[in-house]
Amino acid sequence: EAEVAQSPRYKITEKSQAVAFWCDPISGHATLYWYRQILGQGPELLVQFQDESVVDDSQLPKDRFSAERLKGVDSTLKIQPAELGDSAMYLCASSPGRAGSPLHFGNGTRLTVT
Amino acid sequence: AQSVAQPEDQVNVAEGNPLTVKCTYSVSGNPYLFWYVQYPNRGLQFLLKYITGDNLVKGSYGFEAEFNKSQTSFHLKKPSALVSDSALYFCAVRDRGSQGNLIFGKGTKLSVKP
Repeated sequence: EAEVAQSPRYKITEKSQAVAFWCDPISGHATLYWYRQILGQGPELLVQFQDESVVDDSQLPKDRFSAERLKGVDSTLKIQPAELGDSAMYLCASSPGRAGSPLHFGNGTRLTVT
Repeated sequence: AQSVAQPEDQVNVAEGNPLTVKCTYSVSGNPYLFWYVQYPNRGLQFLLKYITGDNLVKGSYGFEAEFNKSQTSFHLKKPSALVSDSALYFCAVRDRGSQGNLIFGKGTKLSVKP
């Protein structure tokens, strides 16, 4: 079964440093999502792409976070500078975009900011 | 605004007994409803969904869920729990009129003891 690929699996960085996460969705999936999951909570949407266009980034802290999906395939999420409160699991998901389609998640990147 | 409530932080069940994980939702229109499972340091795995039709939906690993429109609930059930079912379970909702983002509950930790 096709999977959503994410890298790295784990990342430790010092506060004020830059960090980037990469996601490769399931082939053919037009919709890509980045979620943040703080320990003990459910995932919360950061940004949603339809092909290369941003559909929803209302919860993305744009002063330090950026996301791109230049060719409408893989995507990068960047944080600069990282803060202690950014420690969380960053999950990428993709979907074919049809009504009622579930999201398919990658295994995530566990970020620890020290 | 859409929201999901999972009233139990943890559910404890003996192996072989039936299990129920509760979920209630709030959307302005008709919902799409989903259940996901998460194992430690992994992404979310899709279990089942309600789109339309029969109120009882069957999913992966013997799980099923019952949609109750009057009670705005979508409880996850399994007739006979396994120790390997121990994990974190998330309920999610999408308004049929939305652009595709899922709103997740806070999660319920299921612990199945031998």
